Amino acid sequence: DQQVKQNSPSLSVQEGRISILNCDYTNSMFDYFLWYKKYPAEGPTFLISISSIKDKNEDGRFTVFLNKSAKHLSLHIVPSQPGDSAVYFCAAKKSNFGNEKLTFGTGTRLTIIP
Amino acid sequence: EPEVTQTPSHQVTQMGQEVILRCVPISNHLYFYWYRQILGQKVEFLVSFYNNEISEKSEIFDDQFSVERPDGSNFTLKIRSTKLEDSAMYFCASRGTSGGSDTQYFGPGTRLTVL
Repeated sequence: DQQVKQNSPSLSVQEGRISILNCDYTNSMFDYFLWYKKYPAEGPTFLISISSIKDKNEDGRFTVFLNKSAKHLSLHIVPSQPGDSAVYFCAAKKSNFGNEKLTFGTGTRLTIIP
Repeated sequence: EPEVTQTPSHQVTQMGQEVILRCVPISNHLYFYWYRQILGQKVEFLVSFYNNEISEKSEIFDDQFSVERPDGSNFTLKIRSTKLEDSAMYFCASRGTSGGSDTQYFGPGTRLTVL
């Protein structure tokens, strides 16, 4: 089940620069997308989400962009900080009642270099 | 800030034994979930629970699995007869309904090791 893909398993970025994490999906029924951050031995921590009626959502240092025609979303973190080093998961779902399942990507390990 | 809690943090069991994983969702949330992550793999949906019944489940969630909300605060996942391949991190999640939020909030997980 590869409906949500994160093609970069890892990414290294200098502190203070922009981190861009990418996610692609194949199921056109998905209309709600979330980014989670995960540290080892902890649960996923919600970062930011976006509904398919929007193409951008911003929250502090985090911005998510959605390109529906390309079935692509990206998470921008600027400026990147050492505490941002973690695994980032993209997740998607269909928003209609009865569909609760989040489908996750495989994750991208972000390392911020001081 | 309210959070989802899970106990125990680590459970070791023998193959064939029953285990119960416990979760306390965020107090005003109405939707509850279990996910798992086998080491090195992606987070996978198991089941969702709303209004005291299962609303959706995956193929992984077979007859060996069950969920229950025994009181107003706990949400449990039972595996009746554990198999080696059940070894994984199990995450509980919950979400509310205010503002139509679809965001699920996750607990810290229970690491299940089946020997």
